[in-house]
Amino acid sequence: EDQVTQSPEALRLQEGESSSLNCSYTVSGLRGLFWYRQDPGKGPEFLFTLYSAGEEKEKERLKATLTKKESFLHITAPKPEDSATYLCAVPAYSSASKIIFGSGTRLSIRP
Amino acid sequence: DTAVSQTPKYLVTQMGNDKSIKCEQNLGHDTMYWYKQDSKKFLKIMFSYNNKELIINETVPNRFSPKSPDKAHLNLHINSLELGDSAVYFCASSQGVPNEQFFGPGTRLTVL
Repeated sequence: EDQVTQSPEALRLQEGESSSLNCSYTVSGLRGLFWYRQDPGKGPEFLFTLYSAGEEKEKERLKATLTKKESFLHITAPKPEDSATYLCAVPAYSSASKIIFGSGTRLSIRP
Repeated sequence: DTAVSQTPKYLVTQMGNDKSIKCEQNLGHDTMYWYKQDSKKFLKIMFSYNNKELIINETVPNRFSPKSPDKAHLNLHINSLELGDSAVYFCASSQGVPNEQFFGPGTRLTVL
């Protein structure tokens, strides 16, 4: 069964303290792995798409990487405004229209 | 200019009532979705439409009926509302699949 698991469930960091979020997936024939950011009371906002193992993408303090079984979202020297829930998602093997989301990592950055 | 909009933002209603949520996108995308986000923040796909055609119907009770009058609109009608329907419902759109999705602001449905 296609599955996406994110860890940790919650992460509290001090401002400037770098860390990584994990997204493990089990799906045959990966057709992309997506990262989103969700702020409280808002819809998810797209961050990155990764397609093949070894691929990396960066945006400001965020860098996403992909292996054959998992993806990492590295946060370098985070700021309080990086506080949000980070979601990863993959298309199901059965249909590219069926997007399976992980349960998210709730990131909190203390000033 | 809002890319994906939903109305209403909040919906409070009694059990057994029927309600609708409307969604519109002005991005020219060909695919639209409905998601349900429960109290644990887990986001689960309900329906996907491509060019007004239903592509995904993810074991949702038939009390939920989506309707796409055109490519830019996807509405969700819910009959006989139950307590367990309380959640935040998100509409989203994308150009082709799989591709990045643009989400609406969500509709928080509370069933009393």
